[in-house]
Amino acid sequence: QKEVEQNSGPLSVPEGAIASLNCTYSDRVSQSFFWYRQYSGKSPELIMSIYSNGDKEDGRFTAQLNKASQYVSLLIRDSQPSDSATYLCAVNILGNTDKLIFGTGTRLQVFP
Amino acid sequence: GAVVSQHPSWVICKSGTSVKIECRSLDFQATTMFWYRQFPKQSLMLMATSNEGSKATYEQGVEKDKFLINHASLTLSTLTVTSAHPEDSSFYICSARTGEKPQHFGDGTRLSIL
Repeated sequence: QKEVEQNSGPLSVPEGAIASLNCTYSDRVSQSFFWYRQYSGKSPELIMSIYSNGDKEDGRFTAQLNKASQYVSLLIRDSQPSDSATYLCAVNILGNTDKLIFGTGTRLQVFP
Repeated sequence: GAVVSQHPSWVICKSGTSVKIECRSLDFQATTMFWYRQFPKQSLMLMATSNEGSKATYEQGVEKDKFLINHASLTLSTLTVTSAHPEDSSFYICSARTGEKPQHFGDGTRLSIL
């Protein structure tokens, strides 16, 4: 089993809709979770970080964490074509909080 | 804040050449820097973790004699790909962090070995 799993997509949503991106992880004691956005040919950009169960909102983005289910998600409200990118879920690894393991990413397409 | 600069953006060179990539944290002191490699349509794979003033910690399967990492200051780390071959062609990305804060990435270096 991969340590961090994401559906590769593409996830296609119309402009203005809510995009829901999901991620599951295998390490039960992971403490830190991150969502990065990566445009084609570019490096990842930090979107959200979340450390405790529940929701964390930042503008149009909401991260949701459920440690019991080992599940973290990212909701993008009022999706825009400029949100079209690959979204990478990253989870820290037990024993070394510096080391992140990335999922393979979900490609999001927002069409006008 | 949290700007990480990576240079060069593109490198094209002949097989057997050594290539140096620089990673700088511009507005913060990076206690730890990381080097990743990303092949097309794949996720980021951590190559090594570098702490200022100490030897880098390499991930399993990454040759430390081929990928030389130097982290001489709190704002600069370098990755040298020695005697590069076509299979080393990839997108190399550095990131930096301070303390327990999230990692911030440089713009990446696209390396093409002919």
